[in-house]
Amino acid sequence: GAVVSQHPSRVICKSGTSVKIECRSLDFQATTMFWYRQFPKQSLMLMATSNEGSKATYEQGVEKDKFLINHASLTLSTLTVTSAHPEDSSFYICSALPGQGNEQFFGPGTRLTVL
Amino acid sequence: AQRVTQPEKLLSVFKGAPVELKCNYSYSGSPELFWYVQYSRQRLQLLLRHISRESIKGFTADLNKGETSFHLKKPFAQEEDSAMYYCALRNQAGTALIFGKGTTLSVSS
Repeated sequence: GAVVSQHPSRVICKSGTSVKIECRSLDFQATTMFWYRQFPKQSLMLMATSNEGSKATYEQGVEKDKFLINHASLTLSTLTVTSAHPEDSSFYICSALPGQGNEQFFGPGTRLTVL
Repeated sequence: AQRVTQPEKLLSVFKGAPVELKCNYSYSGSPELFWYVQYSRQRLQLLLRHISRESIKGFTADLNKGETSFHLKKPFAQEEDSAMYYCALRNQAGTALIFGKGTTLSVSS
């Protein structure tokens, strides 16, 4: 099956710093990638939809200047949390949709802790 | 508004007992419904989708448009079924999934 990786798997940073999370489709090209956020014991909340070569579409309530998304190639999307604060601590999960196909494939997630 | 409701946070059953994880949705059109499973320390993975009408690992789910439900069922639970189960909705191909809050299934012997 198709594999999606995320890097890093875990990151701890100081308040005020920026953190970049990568999402890669390893064996397929993904025209669309999605970024989700998951709080402990809660559901996945969609943050944004990322299409290769175009600007990401953010969900209501998600600050686009704080959560910068770049989908520069068909196999890579990045999420940068700028000026991170403790309330940004969460589990961030990406998923990728192959150009031809109906199933989304999920990455293993990145645990962000902001001190 | 599109919404997926999973009323149970936790469902505990004994091995061999029947299981039903409830899922209700609200959507005015004809959505696609999915069940995803997340085993301990593993990533989210697709269990089944309503358009396939298949049985995976003994689980089935039938879309009931009248009741706007997509409950997940298994006649005899096994310990390895213990996991977090998410019901999800998609309004059209290529768009993001909308997830319910998830139900933790715990199967004990």
